[in-house]
Amino acid sequence: EIVLTQSPGTLSLSPGERATLSCRASQSVTSSYLAWYQQKPGQAPRLLIYGASSRATGIPDRFSGSGSGTDFTLTISRLEPEDFAVYYCQQYGSSSTFGQGTKVEI
Amino acid sequence: QVQLVQSGAEVKKPGASVNVTCKASGFNFVTYGIAWVRQAPGQGLEWMGWLSIYNDDTNNGRKVQGRVTMTIDTSANTAYMELRSLRSDDTAFYYCARTYCSGGRCYYFDYWGQGTLVTVSS
Repeated sequence: EIVLTQSPGTLSLSPGERATLSCRASQSVTSSYLAWYQQKPGQAPRLLIYGASSRATGIPDRFSGSGSGTDFTLTISRLEPEDFAVYYCQQYGSSSTFGQGTKVEI
Repeated sequence: QVQLVQSGAEVKKPGASVNVTCKASGFNFVTYGIAWVRQAPGQGLEWMGWLSIYNDDTNNGRKVQGRVTMTIDTSANTAYMELRSLRSDDTAFYYCARTYCSGGRCYYFDYWGQGTLVTVSS
């Protein structure tokens, strides 16, 4: 089973700042089959990024994904108030697993 | 628009079984797959498994292997997840999500249901 480790656990930033979230896999993720999700309290997760770098429908371009192999990054270029949430990475190259999440807080 | 509507909250005793339903609308049901993900209160996401609607191919996560059954009724555009031999650590929100499956693999989850809280308590 591929284990995904996200860092940091919590990121404390202000609106307008840049957020950089990391997701490291215990083994190489096939074909960059990695996705990122945003989850707000009381809501289901929302797909942001798939295939490591493709934005899902309707996702603003301040969200970007990069990486390959075992190291992946989600970048939010300028934080908006609605971006404060928990973010999860998911690999779907070998069955599927999720990282433990990164909370982006004000 | 794409919608996945799940059944309501359940309270079960340890050792019992629970069935969660997920009714889909707004897309061609048979060309996709349905994944199940759970989240214990205050915890992260756990992939439980997925089912390809096209060929009934399934793949389940280790923690629920042997206790979970995922099925679909294409005539009703509905997916079902049964979890048996419930334990207290099965208390969680259970989500269904749409996925695309091909060649024995399923991919990312682009639409999610609203979640169903299952509480296991004596």
